[in-house]
Amino acid sequence: GENVEQHPSTLSVQEGDSAVIKCTYSDSASNYFPWYKQELGKRPQLIIDIRSNVGEKKDQRIAVTLNKTAKHFSLHITETQPEDSAVYFCAASIRIRGKLIFGQGTTLQVKP
Amino acid sequence: EAGVAQSPRYKIIEKRQSVAFWCNPISGHATLYWYQQILGQGPKLLIQFQNNGVVDDSQLPKDRFSAERLKGVDSTLKIQPAKLEDSAVYLCASSLGRLAGGTDTQYFGPGTRLTVL
Repeated sequence: GENVEQHPSTLSVQEGDSAVIKCTYSDSASNYFPWYKQELGKRPQLIIDIRSNVGEKKDQRIAVTLNKTAKHFSLHITETQPEDSAVYFCAASIRIRGKLIFGQGTTLQVKP
Repeated sequence: EAGVAQSPRYKIIEKRQSVAFWCNPISGHATLYWYQQILGQGPKLLIQFQNNGVVDDSQLPKDRFSAERLKGVDSTLKIQPAKLEDSAVYLCASSLGRLAGGTDTQYFGPGTRLTVL
């Protein structure tokens, strides 16, 4: 069935370092890949997304890359700050406007 | 712009009791989703509405869960009877429901944290 695997489950970095979170999806029909940030006790918030016709997208300190052949996509955060500490979820959509299949989440801790 | 509203924020019930959650989507959003998020996991879709019609309810445990979206705006999700394993955060999300630049961003509400004792 539809599945998204996310790694690592926890990630600890020093302030200013880069962080990378990787996801793999199972269904080759997936064509939309958003990333959500969820702070403790709060709602998931979209931070960046990418469509299957694009290989990379950047927004200031965050970027997402997509490898359709390998069915991999990754989130890259540069110059991490303590306020980046949160749980990050990747997701894949089997069709645009369809349901999101979420990964298990990565808890990112940025140490000052 | 007002976000997705949900109530209550917290609910504690005994197993076998019933419970209902309410969601008010962003104004003008045609698509509404209910997700279940168990502690330490990613959200899992329970049901998706397009206006007041069901698009996907394949993972909704229909023997105990029900949802409706009368008039294509607000929605309620009900559990009857509740089981211990229903303890989770129930998230409502909404989206425009049409392709805006090829995507249809989902915006989440704050969720309802349900504890079943």
